Amino acid sequence: SQTIHQWPATLVQPVGSPLSLECTVEGTSNPNLYWYRQAAGRGLQLLFYSVGIGQISSEVPQNLSASRPQDRQFILSSKKLLLSDSGFYLCAWRLANSYNEQFFGPGTRLTVL
Amino acid sequence: AQTVTQSQPEMSVQEAETVTLSCTYDTSESNYYLFWYKQPPSRQMILVIRQEAYKQQNATENRFSVNFQKAAKSFSLKISDSQLGDTAMYFCAFMRTGTASKLTFGTGTRLQVTL
Repeated sequence: SQTIHQWPATLVQPVGSPLSLECTVEGTSNPNLYWYRQAAGRGLQLLFYSVGIGQISSEVPQNLSASRPQDRQFILSSKKLLLSDSGFYLCAWRLANSYNEQFFGPGTRLTVL
Repeated sequence: AQTVTQSQPEMSVQEAETVTLSCTYDTSESNYYLFWYKQPPSRQMILVIRQEAYKQQNATENRFSVNFQKAAKSFSLKISDSQLGDTAMYFCAFMRTGTASKLTFGTGTRLQVTL
């Protein structure tokens, strides 16, 4: 069966510091991968998605970037965090070339101080 | 661009009762998919139910069912025999067909099930 992992689960970082959040999927090949941010008490906003290794699409202009160095690995990064980057970050995957639902990881709670 | 609207920020229901959560969406697409996701206090996003727009029959999953009205662009979720474990945020989501099939989420409805 497929599983999706995210780490770390919780992160507290100072303003201006770098960021690296990792997401990995097991049990499937060539998934579509997604990064979402959920601000407190709000819905999910799609940040990035990827349909293959090295292929990244950005949905909103922001301080963040994403990379997909391996088929089942998706990384969210920042060179310098802003206060507004605080939130709950969710990674999701979906079978490519299908219209199945997306499956979500457990999330990372990021607090920027 | 597609938009998803959930007009009920919070709802409450007593255990064993039935509750309906509303969702409307706006799209010019004719073929698409709709989902309800549940986010309990653990914050894990869990799929509750899905509906293909080309299917006229409303989807059901045990105590969960939808009322899909394509012409009205409405997709409500009915929870029967509510249980304490149903307490969560519920998000309606729209997915168009095509490359990457991105999800557009509503702002959510916080459901509290009480004794």
